[in-house]
Amino acid sequence: QQPVQSPQAVILREGEDAVINCSSSKALYSVHWYRQKHGEAPVFLMILLKGGEQKGHEKISASFNEKKQQSSLYLTASQLSYSGTYFCGTEGADNYGQNFVFGPGTRLSVLP
Amino acid sequence: GAVVSQHPSWVICKSGTSVKIECRSLDFQATTMFWYRQFPKQSLMLMATSNEGSKATYEQGVEKDKFLINHASLTLSTLTVTSAHPEDSSFYICSARALDNQPQHFGDGTRLSIL
Repeated sequence: QQPVQSPQAVILREGEDAVINCSSSKALYSVHWYRQKHGEAPVFLMILLKGGEQKGHEKISASFNEKKQQSSLYLTASQLSYSGTYFCGTEGADNYGQNFVFGPGTRLSVLP
Repeated sequence: GAVVSQHPSWVICKSGTSVKIECRSLDFQATTMFWYRQFPKQSLMLMATSNEGSKATYEQGVEKDKFLINHASLTLSTLTVTSAHPEDSSFYICSARALDNQPQHFGDGTRLSIL
């Protein structure tokens, strides 16, 4: 079952922060985050595993609350290069390694 | 590292033609490869998951006789769209993963147009 992402779209000014949420109705084993620019392949950002963890790389970080079956992606001091569509992908805890599903995506536009 | 090559980048062909798309992991061995289809402004829809040496697992609603997947080695998977029709026109993307709990690395995609 496809995870839900919110918001559907967001427009920021350069330097502003954004949070993108991903939630599932089923127990999750892992959550993956990708960014896709128009006409290009998705690029891996990070993966969070069951156990409830947080990860970060420079100004992009994420958290995974397995009890709530939710993950959030945090973009701080956004840059123009952050523009694109962000997808979360989830793997169910009841079928390890299978049933990978992408969310519908969140379109992020960073303006100068 | 973690480069996935997908070929061809685009194909235009007549209705009824079969089209083969290749997906190669260039610098790692991929135990699992995924095939997706993406329509404009929509998410990636998983079509099938394939593990080297075994039959692909197709998602519900995907015709396995229409979309033939072969994962012959740890670095190569192919998707063949048999007897393609205009409704099969889409953007097809593959991804490869070395091990479970590791990220999927995507090819650049193949834009298929059936006339």
